[in-house]
Amino acid sequence: AQSVTQPDIHITVSEGASLELRCNYSYGATPYLFWYVQSPGQGLQLLLKYFSGDTLVQGIKGFEAEFKRSQSSFNLRKPSVHWSDAAEYFCAVAPNAGNNRKLIWGLGTSLAVNP
Amino acid sequence: EAGVAQSPRYKIIEKRQSVAFWCNPISGHATLYWYQQILGQGPKLLIQFQNNGVVDDSQLPKDRFSAERLKGVDSTLKIQPAKLEDSAVYLCASRSWRVPQVMESGELFFGEGSRLTVL
Repeated sequence: AQSVTQPDIHITVSEGASLELRCNYSYGATPYLFWYVQSPGQGLQLLLKYFSGDTLVQGIKGFEAEFKRSQSSFNLRKPSVHWSDAAEYFCAVAPNAGNNRKLIWGLGTSLAVNP
Repeated sequence: EAGVAQSPRYKIIEKRQSVAFWCNPISGHATLYWYQQILGQGPKLLIQFQNNGVVDDSQLPKDRFSAERLKGVDSTLKIQPAKLEDSAVYLCASRSWRVPQVMESGELFFGEGSRLTVL
């Protein structure tokens, strides 16, 4: 069965430090890959997505993610974290074939930023 | 461009009562989703509409949950009767998806959600 694992439930970083949020997926082929962010009391916003091509994907708010097929991973990175980045981050995958393109979500990683 | 609108933002009810949530998607978006997000978990798809037809309701607890999108625009999600485990945020999302199988054709936009507390 397809699944998404975000190994870190909660991460705390200092403002200005670098950030990496991990995402691993289980799927027979390369799926479509997404990262969403959810700020407190807000809906989910798409940060970036990978469909094909260049495995390093640039997103909004200075985020990037790298697809590594050999590791079945799609980790999210940011070189310098801002206090406003404190939020919940969700990795999601979807099949790239077939009629059921349902998004499968990870449980999320909660990011706290220390001043 | 106006975003996905949801109401109410917060609702507190007692178990066995009923509740309804409303969603108005982005204008022109043919595909509408209702998700349930329980605290500490990722969103769980309840139902997907394409225009006014249901595409996927396999995870909708049909004995107590119902949803409709009569005119292919706004949608209502109803819970009757509510249980304690229904406490969650109910998220509505929409996508401009001319061809449902082609994910590249549109991004999923979420509303701010409706937070339900069942006592």
